[in-house]
Amino acid sequence: KAGVTQTPRYLIKTRGQQVTLSCSPISGHRSVSWYQQTPGQGLQFLFEYFSETQRNKGNFPGRFSGRQFSNSRSEMNVSTLELGDSALYLCASSLGGHPTGELFFGEGSRLTVL
Amino acid sequence: KNEVEQSPQNLTAQEGEFITINCSYSVGISALHWLQQHPGGGIVSLFMLSSGKKKHGRLIATINIQEKHSSLHITASHPRDSAVYICAVNDMRFGAGTRLTVKP
Repeated sequence: KAGVTQTPRYLIKTRGQQVTLSCSPISGHRSVSWYQQTPGQGLQFLFEYFSETQRNKGNFPGRFSGRQFSNSRSEMNVSTLELGDSALYLCASSLGGHPTGELFFGEGSRLTVL
Repeated sequence: KNEVEQSPQNLTAQEGEFITINCSYSVGISALHWLQQHPGGGIVSLFMLSSGKKKHGRLIATINIQEKHSSLHITASHPRDSAVYICAVNDMRFGAGTRLTVKP
């Protein structure tokens, strides 16, 4: 059974640009959640989607957005990038749904903003 | 004060030692997760629990809902257990993590 796949794994952008990250969940999982990890702030929850609907949202500005498609694949977008957006972005999929479902994480997308 | 506090922040042990990592939280929860993160970033979910105790191999997780406290124990530790261990509650409020190094 394939795991959670995130693309791209590494990317470099400049301030002001936008970026789109993709997450393909484990087959049959309908919940996808996104997280940001930085050395200073640790892991922080961004948002969670279940059956194409955003169910939960963390405390991030509106520049961070996401969506989920009918096949459960999810994308997150960050617009007008800032230096502080440099981070490892992780997604996780779950069968039952966040937060009480077991989470399966992808390897992450490491974003560097110059 | 963080809503999820972990201790210790760093832990060095000799191979074979019994290890305990603690997590205290200040919010009501429906579930608590223990996660393991190896160098390179990949995260593995070790346990999800809402009461009592769970065991997987050499790993044991306990939770005391009344005291708002959970512990992760590793018996007979091994260098491959070296990783960052993170607890998370509910809407994914995370502890800062415990960096464990097990020396041979």
